[in-house]
Amino acid sequence: QVQLQESGPGLVKPSETLSLTCTVSGGSISSYYWSWIRQPPGKGLEWIGYIYYSGSTNYNPSLKSRVTISVDTSKNQFSLKLSSVTAADTAVYYCARGEMATDYYYYYMDVWGKGTTVTVSS
Amino acid sequence: SYVLTQPPSVSVAPGQTARITCGGNNIGSKSVHWYQQKPGQAPVLVVYDDSDRPSGIPERFSGSNSGNTATLTISRVEAGDEADYYCQVWDSSSDHPGNVVFGGGTKLTVL
Repeated sequence: QVQLQESGPGLVKPSETLSLTCTVSGGSISSYYWSWIRQPPGKGLEWIGYIYYSGSTNYNPSLKSRVTISVDTSKNQFSLKLSSVTAADTAVYYCARGEMATDYYYYYMDVWGKGTTVTVSS
Repeated sequence: SYVLTQPPSVSVAPGQTARITCGGNNIGSKSVHWYQQKPGQAPVLVVYDDSDRPSGIPERFSGSNSGNTATLTISRVEAGDEADYYCQVWDSSSDHPGNVVFGGGTKLTVL
């Protein structure tokens, strides 16, 4: 069965760029939309954006100016970069596989990674 | 932007039925998905497209959606159902291509 694993630094300095990678195992990265979601300590879920295996992206408008999501199909990986981070970006970051309806009527995430904690601090 | 409203908490005794609501403007016209998140764990999809269950999710979990309210119903509640529950929709009503929107989450306590 498909499994996702997030990796990357657990500590990032303010104003720097947060970089995370999600490795997909047990299945192909093709034909799905792959998302990043985050959860600040004690708070709810916030969707960051997704990438289709072909490379097309869609970002949360509230983060769009700072977010870049990319995909490497040869490695079965996709990545997140979030620039100019502040303490407000401290969160658990999850990657997830998404299912998009053929008519774009719905999108949901059916397989999630375990999450990785990123702290923004000097 | 589209807003989903959930009650912060719901309490229920074991064996009873828990109902967790998710309010949104004309949410009945959208497809609603529900996630369960236990402490320290990643969310798990328990209902998608209003009322479908992924494989492995017990039949005790069901969903409905009409008007301005979607509901996740958990029958014969067990201690292991204690968790945070989040509703989610795909909002494509604005000029933006589409946006994932989560409710604020509901903490289910089993008494």
